[in-house]
Amino acid sequence: ETGVTQTPRHLVMGMTNKKSLKCEQHLGHNAMYWYKQSAKKPLELMFVYSLEERVENNSVPSRFSPECPNSSHLFLHLHTLQPEDSALYLCASSQSTGGNEQYFGPGTRLTVT
Amino acid sequence: GEDVEQSLFLSVREGDSSVINCTYTDSSSTYLYWYKQEPGAGLQLLTYIFSNMDMKQDQRLTVLLNKKDKHLSLRIADTQTGDSAIYFCAETNQGGKLIFGQGTELSVKP
Repeated sequence: ETGVTQTPRHLVMGMTNKKSLKCEQHLGHNAMYWYKQSAKKPLELMFVYSLEERVENNSVPSRFSPECPNSSHLFLHLHTLQPEDSALYLCASSQSTGGNEQYFGPGTRLTVT
Repeated sequence: GEDVEQSLFLSVREGDSSVINCTYTDSSSTYLYWYKQEPGAGLQLLTYIFSNMDMKQDQRLTVLLNKKDKHLSLRIADTQTGDSAIYFCAETNQGGKLIFGQGTELSVKP
């Protein structure tokens, strides 16, 4: 138990669906992250939030839309995804964005059909 | 550019020592990390080392840092079947971002 939870753990969606991934951290951290983990590839950092403000967007397609309503919650809204978006989506948090260790949630395994 | 390299696979017998190696490129990294990912789970922080240290020991884990060669290793003593997982090395770049390697899949055979 790392103090970072993600729901749902598994999600299957069609290309025309809209769904959201949720992440919650109970560590009192100020920074939160979304990563994409595909088979045989390094972790890809998607978004970084610091104190609810987006500080990094790594050229992620607009069909992925993050939201950070407060420092404990992070969402990733999904719409009109492609099959190549199927992956494990990991949320992480850290005390700040200054290179502190990050604590990861268990991930959401997303399959786009 | 920023790059972290690891070999993809390592197989050892139960009770042996495992050594997982990593090379990185950003000499300004302040912290270097080792994470473990078990099947179906997220990444779990195992240990980290500050860049002004050469070695850190934590129970069965020993981290060695050669800053001149930008080489980091993780040694697991008395490897158990429960240590089978993917191990990720990560460095921090100048912007404070974590850069991960591709991960080394450790297989422990009884």
